[in-house]
Amino acid sequence: EDQVTQSPEALRLQEGESSSLNCSYTVSGLRGLFWYRQDPGKGPEFLFTLYSAGEEKEKERLKATLTKKESFLHITAPKPEDSATYLCAVQGFIKAAGNKLTFGGGTRVLVKP
Amino acid sequence: SAVISQKPSRDICQRGTSLTIQCQVDSQVTMMFWYRQQPGQSLTLIATANQGSEATYESGFVIDKFPISRPNLTFSTLTVSNMSPEDSSIYLCSVVGQGSYEQYFGPGTRLTVT
Repeated sequence: EDQVTQSPEALRLQEGESSSLNCSYTVSGLRGLFWYRQDPGKGPEFLFTLYSAGEEKEKERLKATLTKKESFLHITAPKPEDSATYLCAVQGFIKAAGNKLTFGGGTRVLVKP
Repeated sequence: SAVISQKPSRDICQRGTSLTIQCQVDSQVTMMFWYRQQPGQSLTLIATANQGSEATYESGFVIDKFPISRPNLTFSTLTVSNMSPEDSSIYLCSVVGQGSYEQYFGPGTRLTVT
């Protein structure tokens, strides 16, 4: 069974204080690892898909990286508007699972001005 | 990415009643899913909504409690039946476009059962 663990559960940052979020996973053949941002009361917003170890993707102050066992979401010089819960999910290659995503518990990020 | 809408956006329901949630997409998609997000928790997949056939349910979820329909490639409904306070959650639909693995989520339906 696919498993995803995110750490830390919560992160308080000062504006401009860079940090990283961790997503550790076990999956029977990784088809893709996905990062989402979720604001309170809203549905998850798609950020990145990573497919293979060594891959990196960037969007504004966010950069996602992938190894064979974990992914990191780096937040560089965060601003208060980066405050949100960041969710990591994996999708395996098992045909019977289809496009099923298995989510981690999320990391709640609060950026203070 | 597809534009996804859900109705209602929120509702407060009495114990023992049922609520049907609608998910509408502005373009044809290959796959549609329904997730539950309990208060303070992450997302759990309820089922895959299959067009023209019965939904595929995850362990712990059954058709009698969560009947799902998907009559075409842009629309699906999830019914939460015989509700109890434990069903109070956010219910989210998601879609996968053609030729893609990426899932996009609707805004969610916040359900409170009293």
